Amino acid sequence: DAGVIQSPRHEVTEMGQEVTLRCKPISGHNSLFWYRQTMMRGLELLIYFNNNVPIDDSGMPEDRFSAKMPNASFSTLKIQPSEPRDSAVYFCASSPIAGTLLKETQYFGPGTRLLVL
Amino acid sequence: TQLLEQSPQFLSIQEGENLTVYCNSSSVFSSLQWYRQEPGEGPVLLVTVVTGGEVKKLKRLTFQFGDARKDSSLHITAAQPGDTGLYLCAGARAGGTSYGKLTFGQGTILTVHP
Repeated sequence: DAGVIQSPRHEVTEMGQEVTLRCKPISGHNSLFWYRQTMMRGLELLIYFNNNVPIDDSGMPEDRFSAKMPNASFSTLKIQPSEPRDSAVYFCASSPIAGTLLKETQYFGPGTRLLVL
Repeated sequence: TQLLEQSPQFLSIQEGENLTVYCNSSSVFSSLQWYRQEPGEGPVLLVTVVTGGEVKKLKRLTFQFGDARKDSSLHITAAQPGDTGLYLCAGARAGGTSYGKLTFGQGTILTVHP
């Protein structure tokens, strides 16, 4: 059974370019999360969706970041324009909804390592 | 402000030693999870604790949730090189806009030398 799939695994781009990160959650999971991980700030939640609807985007750094989930099997995180400080590993995670999210396991993808020059 | 403080940040020990990692907060969490992350991969859940005072064991790993649900610890007995990795605690808070969101600690990088 495939886990969470993320693409690309590595992305190197120049400042000012648009970056699109992709995620395919585990089939049947209703919650999807985007995280960013850096040495300085650790793992931070950017946004999460329940049933394709954005529930909380308070972690999105600024207007340059946007996320969409057009259907249950696909989500994108877009950065436009990208800046060097956006360099990080971006993780997507999914989780089933069963009563409460508090006990649910989040299954993480392998991450996208982004470097903005 | 980091809601969850993990200590130590780095731990380098020899195979066979015991160790404890701490996760502390001034906030109350409805549940707390521990994850392990290896280089180049995403975090993988080890355990979830939800009841104050709860103790869970996973082979050589023992997890405890504080009575007040503000802190947790991970104890590893007779550490092995395969235990090497980044250990993350994450808390979930009920109610309001925080419902279901996980807040992660900074992590503890554990290295076990053969």
